[in-house]
Amino acid sequence: KAGVTQTPRYLIKTRGQQVTLSCSPISGHRSVSWYQQTPGQGLQFLFEYFSETQRNKGNFPGRFSGRQFSNSRSEMNVSTLELGDSALYLCASSPGYTGELFFGEGSRLTVL
Amino acid sequence: AQSVTQLDSHVSVSEGTPVLLRCNYSSSYSPSLFWYVQHPNKGLQLLLKYTSAATLVKGINGFEAEFKKSETSFHLTKPSAHMSDAAEYFCVVSDRVGGATNKLIFGTGTLLAVQP
Repeated sequence: KAGVTQTPRYLIKTRGQQVTLSCSPISGHRSVSWYQQTPGQGLQFLFEYFSETQRNKGNFPGRFSGRQFSNSRSEMNVSTLELGDSALYLCASSPGYTGELFFGEGSRLTVL
Repeated sequence: AQSVTQLDSHVSVSEGTPVLLRCNYSSSYSPSLFWYVQHPNKGLQLLLKYTSAATLVKGINGFEAEFKKSETSFHLTKPSAHMSDAAEYFCVVSDRVGGATNKLIFGTGTLLAVQP
């Protein structure tokens, strides 16, 4: 069974630009969550989706948004990028609400 | 509010010696607790989870953790460290304020170094 796939793995943007990250969950998993990992703030929850509905949202500004498609694939978008948005963005999928998440290897975003 | 505190940011052990990574939790109700591991430049992998079925939880790769309500602790142990155990370990609690969820609250991590 294929794992969680995130694309792109690495990207560099400049301040003010926007970025879209993609996540393909494990087949059959309907829950997708996104986390941001930085050296200063650690791992922080961004959003959680289940069957195309956002169930939870973390404490991030409105520049951070996401969605889930009918095939459970998910995207997150960050608009008007700031230097502080440089981070590893991790996507995780799960078959239900057990807290047992299967993580992808992440998309490393650098904002210059 | 729920939270976890990892008491050591760095732990160094010799190969073949025991590993102890410490975690205390704070929760207003019976928590769901986890340990995840992250190897360099990799995503996170679940080591084990506690959901009140048994206080001693066995995980993958020989790791186990004991839930102690009286001490609000959930320490991770392994009898004998292997070089491949070198990684960052995260103690995690599920934020179930609004019901069942995959919203996890991560500790700050403990970087485990294993010396030959």
